[in-house]
Amino acid sequence: KAGVTQTPRYLIKTRGQQVTLSCSPISGHRSVSWYQQTPGQGLQFLFEYFSETQRNKGNFPGRFSGRQFSNSRSEMNVSTLELGDSALYLCASSLVSYQETQYFGPGTRLLVL
Amino acid sequence: EDQVTQSPEALRLQEGESSSLNCSYTVSGLRGLFWYRQDPGKGPEFLFTLYSAGEEKEKERLKATLTKKESFLHITAPKPEDSATYLCAVQALFSGGYNKLIFGAGTRLAVHP
Repeated sequence: KAGVTQTPRYLIKTRGQQVTLSCSPISGHRSVSWYQQTPGQGLQFLFEYFSETQRNKGNFPGRFSGRQFSNSRSEMNVSTLELGDSALYLCASSLVSYQETQYFGPGTRLLVL
Repeated sequence: EDQVTQSPEALRLQEGESSSLNCSYTVSGLRGLFWYRQDPGKGPEFLFTLYSAGEEKEKERLKATLTKKESFLHITAPKPEDSATYLCAVQALFSGGYNKLIFGAGTRLAVHP
């Protein structure tokens, strides 16, 4: 069974730009969660999508948004990028809830200049 | 304040030298505790889920245990390939009546031949 895939793997943007990251969950998994990982803050929960609806949300500004498609694939968008948005963005999938065992993708490393 | 604390931050072991990593938490209503392993530049890889005090789980050289206030990840006779960052995450009923998943900062383990 294929694992969680994320594209692109690496991205360089400049301040003020916007970025869209993509995540394909494990087949049959309906819950997709997004996390930001930085050396200073560790892994922080962004949001969770289930059946095309945002079900849970962490403490991030509205510049961070996402969506989920009918095939459970998900995208995350960050608008008006700031230097502090440089991080590893991880997507994780689980059968029905982010509170169950999650399987993570390899991540997208975003560098904002 | 609800939090998850992992110690030590970093641990250096000689091959074959057994040790334990700690994950302590201050939450009310623990619903589950997860252990993950993360290699540099990769997403976390699921290891164990523990649900109640007294529960233990094993996988190869790793054994996870859970008490009411903390969890230990015991590493027996480690090998260099066990070098990684080990993350724990706590799922609990937090203040406000909602469920939340919080990750610790991780323990960086280096095993030298």
